Amino acid sequence: TQLLEQSPQFLSIQEGENLTVYCNSSSVFSSLQWYRQEPGEGPVLLVTVVTGGEVKKLKRLTFQFGDARKDSSLHITAAQPGDTGLYLCAGAENNNDMRFGAGTRLTVKP
Amino acid sequence: NAGVTQTPKFQVLKTGQSMTLQCAQDMNHEYMSWYRQDPGMGLRLIHYSVGAGITDQGEVPNGYNVSRSTTEDFPLRLLSAAPSQTSVYFCASSQTDFSYNSPLHFGNGTRLTVT
Repeated sequence: TQLLEQSPQFLSIQEGENLTVYCNSSSVFSSLQWYRQEPGEGPVLLVTVVTGGEVKKLKRLTFQFGDARKDSSLHITAAQPGDTGLYLCAGAENNNDMRFGAGTRLTVKP
Repeated sequence: NAGVTQTPKFQVLKTGQSMTLQCAQDMNHEYMSWYRQDPGMGLRLIHYSVGAGITDQGEVPNGYNVSRSTTEDFPLRLLSAAPSQTSVYFCASSQTDFSYNSPLHFGNGTRLTVT
């Protein structure tokens, strides 16, 4: 079993729709990070959430860290084809070991 | 800025062959790491280094060796390749360890196939 469980694994939607993807764990993290990965490239950091209950907005993307710091969600409003990619959440198991979820593969159709 | 550079981009090996995946960063980052990415399993940590001369094992270290003789370079060695090592390998660096929530900066990966 993975330390970080992401759902759904795959998501295919039409342009303009809203969506939410989830990252859950039984462990408490001091922070969680969200990355986005496009084909043939490495993951790129989107945001870091640190405080329980924290909400961060990045244009049409809204990130929330659970009150207990065990889970996080990413909500995209009015999805666009450019949002297509693999969304990964990550949390530090300790100061030297960053663990990743398996990711949600999002496809936004024009 | 080059960031994190990995070579080669693609590699095909026969079972039992050895090779070294190269990784270099030009950001003066102390922390460097190697991950492998397999379908449905996400990124799994192989080895990491918190500075020149210091390396340690991650989640899946068997079959891989690393060394860190300089701050910039962190090569990954496969001594005797096995089909189970077919994967996409990513090198990543961070300014410090994760106690300060430093993000990871990734290279663009090496796609390795072992036949």
